Amino acid sequence: NAGVMQNPRHLVRRRGQEARLRCSPVKGHSHVYWYRQLPEEGLKFMVYLQKENIIDESGMPKERFSAEFPKEGPSILRIQQVVRGDSAAYFCASSPVAGSLNEKLFFGSGTQLSVL
Amino acid sequence: TQLLKQSPQFLSIQEGENLTVYCNSSSVFSSLQWYRQEPGEGPVLLVTVVTGGEVKKLKRLTFQFGDARKDSSLHITAAQPGDTGLYLCAGGGGATNKLIFGTGTLLAVQP
Repeated sequence: NAGVMQNPRHLVRRRGQEARLRCSPVKGHSHVYWYRQLPEEGLKFMVYLQKENIIDESGMPKERFSAEFPKEGPSILRIQQVVRGDSAAYFCASSPVAGSLNEKLFFGSGTQLSVL
Repeated sequence: TQLLKQSPQFLSIQEGENLTVYCNSSSVFSSLQWYRQEPGEGPVLLVTVVTGGEVKKLKRLTFQFGDARKDSSLHITAAQPGDTGLYLCAGGGGATNKLIFGTGTLLAVQP
């Protein structure tokens, strides 16, 4: 079952360290979305990428956060100098196309980031 | 800013009861999706509705999209413990598949 794979599932970092979250989309999907979820809340959009391009980063904090989706390899969400407020579950989703009303997003199981 | 507010926020019921979850917005969406999320997992799509007034049924679950495409409801008949989870509505349909998620309804069905 080649669904969306995220790793690690759990990541513990101390304040000031860097966190790198990886997402391998469903095979053949070229559109990747990152969402952040705080406890008992809905998901907040962060960034939308299409192979090698950032299409929409309106939900990304202006500092310390970056995302990439290289031609080869997984999409990476990078958080520099983490703070306690970055603790959350980060979900990646992929789709084969964008803009179709009936298109389905496939979500990974998420990475739970805990900042000590 | 597009916002989707869900109600109730929390719901605890007994097995066999019926329930309705609401998703409301002041914005019009081209499509609306409902997801269910279990602890430690990502959301799983239940249904997509795209036409104002549309009603879709999935076994014991009935989904309705408001005529003005600003609101939606999810009705569960004879709830089962397996229905327990976080229910999320999400609006979308723009040039991308960027979804705006609702605030969520946490449902607990007691056996």
